[in-house]
Amino acid sequence: EVQVVESGGGLVQPGGSLRLSCAASGFSISDHYMDWVRQAPGKGLEWVGRTRNKAHNYITEYAASVRGKFTISRDDSQNSVYLQMNSLKTEDTAVYYCARWRSGAADCWGQGTLVTVSS
Amino acid sequence: DIVMTQSPDSLAVSLGERATINCKSSQSVLSSSNNQNYLAWYQQKPRQPPKLLVYWASTRESGVPDRFSGSGSGTDFTLTISSLQAEDVAVYYCQQYYTAPLTFGGGTKVEIK
Repeated sequence: EVQVVESGGGLVQPGGSLRLSCAASGFSISDHYMDWVRQAPGKGLEWVGRTRNKAHNYITEYAASVRGKFTISRDDSQNSVYLQMNSLKTEDTAVYYCARWRSGAADCWGQGTLVTVSS
Repeated sequence: DIVMTQSPDSLAVSLGERATINCKSSQSVLSSSNNQNYLAWYQQKPRQPPKLLVYWASTRESGVPDRFSGSGSGTDFTLTISSLQAEDVAVYYCQQYYTAPLTFGGGTKVEIK
């Protein structure tokens, strides 16, 4: 079964850091771009960023709202993707989803992991 | 950034009736190189992750019921549910992937009248 599972969410104080993980199974992430998308409580979807695959030089791209604060990385040997989040603010509170990108869309999403930034 | 604007914000439709959701992009998402529209539609039910319905503006994802269809080109797109079923109650989002940053519409909530 093709799936991705996020982990690492939790409560963190403003200014703190957190590292999210996304473990893939049933497919090899080496063939795919992988995205992070977040959803603040009661709000819509916001694309956070992506890591392209080896064929596209592992290029990373970010939303302006997180550029310089968040870093996406991947370990193809572990079939995992990561989201390092620094200098967290209350507005970063959200459910963070990992999604597999194939030609045309994000076709496999995890259940998400909740990040709460609060003192 | 490409801004995606969905309308309406919400709509209530009777069971078996048609539901139509609109999505407008601030610039064209049609590629001249491959004549494809870089536009996808997702369905999100409460407490669930989004689910892909349509990509390339009109290609239905495998396993998605054929009552869901996508249309449009350039800057104006539509998701149509031809005969609304109870299980279609959800929020629907369009997304452009023509250029980074990828952007979503604000969502349209579909309910039963």
